[in-house]
Amino acid sequence: GQQLNQSPQSMFIQEGEDVSMNCTSSSIFNTWLWYKQDPGEGPVLLIALYKAGELTSNGRLTAQFGITRKDSFLNISASIPSDVGIYFCAGQLNNNNDMRFGAGTRLTVKP
Amino acid sequence: KAGVTQTPRYLIKTRGQQVTLSCSPISGHRSVSWYQQTPGQGLQFLFEYFSETQRNKGNFPGRFSGRQFSNSRSEMNVSTLELGDSALYLCASSPSFGDSGDFGPGTRLTVL
Repeated sequence: GQQLNQSPQSMFIQEGEDVSMNCTSSSIFNTWLWYKQDPGEGPVLLIALYKAGELTSNGRLTAQFGITRKDSFLNISASIPSDVGIYFCAGQLNNNNDMRFGAGTRLTVKP
Repeated sequence: KAGVTQTPRYLIKTRGQQVTLSCSPISGHRSVSWYQQTPGQGLQFLFEYFSETQRNKGNFPGRFSGRQFSNSRSEMNVSTLELGDSALYLCASSPSFGDSGDFGPGTRLTVL
């Protein structure tokens, strides 16, 4: 099962609002990744973080790699309807794809 | 560029049967990783192949196996299917071993 605690499990927000979600772990990771998954599709990589303390943006998305290497957060600013989906965090310890995933945050955006 | 393709997209099997799923990576990608996604356990790593060799394996029983061909295409096999094997099986390809990959759309396996 998952080793990452991702919260919140779900969010219902109004279009235009900002969103924040985070992941914590009892283990340290060398890489944190954030994915979005739409129904019937595979996850799509949004942001990859490789250094503790790193803050990276991708358009309206911003993610940070926690200093302790045990946590990460993802912010979405000015949400729009197409942001709807499930967002997953993933931690990667070694240089391989044996990643640990969070349980996901289901985002609903009301127009 | 064409994305990762997985076939079939949907599959229904009965307990005790075996199944083979296929994954064609993005052209030029040599690493293929497989994951199982279920509502209860979420996304879990199965194994990673690079240059036709299994480089890493997750915590799944031996009924789950895979292989990679010289053209980097990969297959995974599940023998003696159990109800709990019902899941979305995802593969991801990347240029090199250990790189976070591009996921395919998955194969939805239902075991009755």
